[in-house]
Amino acid sequence: GESVGLHLPTLSVQEGDNSIINCAYSNSASDYFIWYKQESGKGPQFIIDIRSNMDKRQGQRVTVLLNKTVKHLSLQIAATQPGDSAVYFCAENGGTGRRALTFGSGTRLQVQP
Amino acid sequence: EPEVTQTPSHQVTQMGQEVILHCVPISNHLYFYWYRQILGQKVEFLVSFYNNEISEKSEIFDDQFSVERPDGSNFTLKIRSTKLEDSAMYFCASRGEKGAGYTFGSGTRLTVV
Repeated sequence: GESVGLHLPTLSVQEGDNSIINCAYSNSASDYFIWYKQESGKGPQFIIDIRSNMDKRQGQRVTVLLNKTVKHLSLQIAATQPGDSAVYFCAENGGTGRRALTFGSGTRLQVQP
Repeated sequence: EPEVTQTPSHQVTQMGQEVILHCVPISNHLYFYWYRQILGQKVEFLVSFYNNEISEKSEIFDDQFSVERPDGSNFTLKIRSTKLEDSAMYFCASRGEKGAGYTFGSGTRLTVV
């Protein structure tokens, strides 16, 4: 079936470095994508989203890139901080009109001080 | 910042018992969701609710599950006869206007013994 998956289960970076977390999706009908951060014992926290009519969107210290040709999504975090340590999930909506999100497997980001 | 509130934070129940998980979505939101996350796994969609009816549900959401919006503020998930495999974190989420980001609650950890 359709799926959203992540390439790397764990990413370890030094404080101050930039982090890149990747995600592949297989549903070509998806037109809305979200990155979530999940800290231990908490619910997913919205980071940034992007629609399929865009290929890049920037937030505060975060950038999401969307490559529809290869169905790839990435999250870039600039100047990674210890507080960024968490599991990051990508999610997609499966196409216009769908209301449910399909989540990827998650990447754990570990920031070394 | 508006929050989605879930209670209780942790529920322990015996196999075969009924449980009701409670959620108070963000007040002006229109779309409501339940997701679950088995320990160490990805977040899975259960059901979406809009205009006082279920708009979409997953294969997980079988006859043992039901949702209600008994008043203007609460959104509940009922599991009629819990099984061991129902043990998971259950997240409620809500969304405002079409296309707006989803906001998740902190979750209820359900432990079936």
